[in-house]
Amino acid sequence: AQKITQTQPGMFVQEKEAVTLDCTYDTSDQSYGLFWYKQPSSGEMIFLIYQGSYDEQNATEGRYSLNFQKARKSANLVISASQLGDSAMYFCAMRDLESSGSARQLTFGSGTQLTVLP
Amino acid sequence: DADVTQTPRNRITKTGKRIMLECSQTKGHDRMYWYRQDPGLGLRLIYYSFDVKDINKGEISDGYSVSRQAQAKFSLSLESAIPNQTALYFCATSDRDSGTDTQYFGPGTRLTVL
Repeated sequence: AQKITQTQPGMFVQEKEAVTLDCTYDTSDQSYGLFWYKQPSSGEMIFLIYQGSYDEQNATEGRYSLNFQKARKSANLVISASQLGDSAMYFCAMRDLESSGSARQLTFGSGTQLTVLP
Repeated sequence: DADVTQTPRNRITKTGKRIMLECSQTKGHDRMYWYRQDPGLGLRLIYYSFDVKDINKGEISDGYSVSRQAQAKFSLSLESAIPNQTALYFCATSDRDSGTDTQYFGPGTRLTVL
């Protein structure tokens, strides 16, 4: 079974600084995908970035990058140059690509609440 | 216009009432999903549908049913609502042919069962 662990319930960062949100995962499969989503206080879930287990390079999307360490089973999200609008809940999720049926669906962590300070 | 829409956005109802939450999408995706989110928790999958004729139970389907009326529409029903179904409900879509099968979420429906 898949499991996602986000050990930081809350994080604070000063505006314009970089911040790393931790995510570790557990799976026995070799082929899987890792996702990060942002949930602002308004409630919607916004897709940020994707990393495939066979991707050789860390994924980047604008100010977001994913620090993927496969041997350690970690997929940390790095946000550079934090902005006030980055204040939100951030969820790490994964999906096995080898299993069938519901086992292939997204499993979410419990989230990290990021607050950007002015 | 939003690619994935959910109606209603907020709903308050009473125990025992039948409730339907609707989701429609203009992304042209074949796959659709329903999740619920409880405070302090991540999302949990209720049902998913890979096409109009393919509907599957997720992790927490008890007390819920779904209908895939068309490729673009996927509705969730609570046959007899109970207070512990109070939650934020999300619809999501994904494209089988996208490679990553990334799920894109609607704005959510906040449901309160009294």
